[in-house]
Amino acid sequence: AQSVSQHNHHVILSEAASLELGCNYSYGGTVNLFWYVQYPGQHLQLLLKYFSGDPLVKGIKGFEAEFIKSKFSFNLRKPSVQWSDTAEYFCAVNAWNYGQNFVFGPGTRLSVLP
Amino acid sequence: GAGVSQSPSNKVTEKGKDVELRCDPISGHTALYWYRQSLGQGLEFLIYFQGNSAPDKSGLPSDRFSAERTGGSVSTLTIQRTQQEDSAVYLCASSPGLAGPSTSTDTQYFGPGTRLTVL
Repeated sequence: AQSVSQHNHHVILSEAASLELGCNYSYGGTVNLFWYVQYPGQHLQLLLKYFSGDPLVKGIKGFEAEFIKSKFSFNLRKPSVQWSDTAEYFCAVNAWNYGQNFVFGPGTRLSVLP
Repeated sequence: GAGVSQSPSNKVTEKGKDVELRCDPISGHTALYWYRQSLGQGLEFLIYFQGNSAPDKSGLPSDRFSAERTGGSVSTLTIQRTQQEDSAVYLCASSPGLAGPSTSTDTQYFGPGTRLTVL
């Protein structure tokens, strides 16, 4: 079955630490890849997305993600996290070879300690 | 409107009752999605509309769940004979149009959700 996995359920970091959240998917063929973020008490919003071209994608708030096709991965990174980055992060895949348009990963909760 | 809106924001109902959840997408968006987010879990895809038609209903968990969209705009998700396991946050999202491998129209814009509690 098609799936998206996120390696970490809960990550706890101190401010200024570097962040990498893993995301792997199981689709073949063409995919569009996304990271969404849900800040406490707010609704989901897009952080960044990859469609084609440069596999290193820059997003808002200093986030970036790298698409590695051979590894079916799309890991999210940030060199120095802030307390305001505390949120839930969801990786999502859009693959048009399959009937379901979007599949979301289970999410990773990030807690940044001040 | 400026964003996706959903109503009600909270709904408490008794087991066995029917509920209707409403989604108003961003004006002009032709694609509309319903998801369910249970406590401590990720998003579970329920159904997708392109215009008024639903090419993908694969995520509806049972025949108690149905959805419709009229006028290519507002959508209603109906849950009949609610069960306690239906308790969750129901999220709606819209996107501008048909997505493909090289378009930039696949970003989904999410509403605030409806928190459903079945007692």
